[in-house]
Amino acid sequence: DTGVSQDPRHKITKRGQNVTFRCDPISEHNRLYWYRQTLGQGPEFLTYFQNEAQLEKSRLLSDRFSAERPKGSFSTLEIQRTEQGDSAMYLCASSLNVELDFGPGTRLTVT
Amino acid sequence: RKEVEQDPGPFNVPEGATVAFNCTYSNSASQSFFWYRQDCRKEPKLLMSVYSSGNEDGRFTAQLNRASQYISLLIRDSKLSDSATYLCALYTSNSNSGYALNFGKGTSLLVTP
Repeated sequence: DTGVSQDPRHKITKRGQNVTFRCDPISEHNRLYWYRQTLGQGPEFLTYFQNEAQLEKSRLLSDRFSAERPKGSFSTLEIQRTEQGDSAMYLCASSLNVELDFGPGTRLTVT
Repeated sequence: RKEVEQDPGPFNVPEGATVAFNCTYSNSASQSFFWYRQDCRKEPKLLMSVYSSGNEDGRFTAQLNRASQYISLLIRDSKLSDSATYLCALYTSNSNSGYALNFGKGTSLLVTP
């Protein structure tokens, strides 16, 4: 296992469409996080899973956003009815403890 | 007040210079502190953890000042390859977010020939 992977790496979509991103964490990591990062900002926490349980959601995560980690392994983040303000880099990270390992991110552009 | 604050820079320094960044935090319950490095359009990568006693890794020295609630990163003998954004991150045990880290906006460093 060489690290956290994310797919796709880039996504261009039209406003109003739904998009889904996938994250495969480091296999022995039981914690998985989603972050969002826009230009000039640091990563902002969206949600956190311990195994398959989603334990925390940021208020940044509107009702249009949903995340799952069905078997405690990979995770998906879905955005429904995308808006231009959703354009950002979506980063997944995994950890065993406090040190997070990030994936390469999915860059979303909403036109 | 934002929980983690950094001077965004940019810091432009010549090769070989010493440069230091500070990061202030507002929550005194913060327990663990880190510096991440992020290259343009890449993911953040852990540079070093910051320990209470201060720690050094080659040309990099990190310090924590709990009384004044800031951490610092010192880079000696700057290299061109040090050009990046340096993100301060901290973990606060009273959050419900597992070990989710709270990040600053980052400080941009450009090392010039």
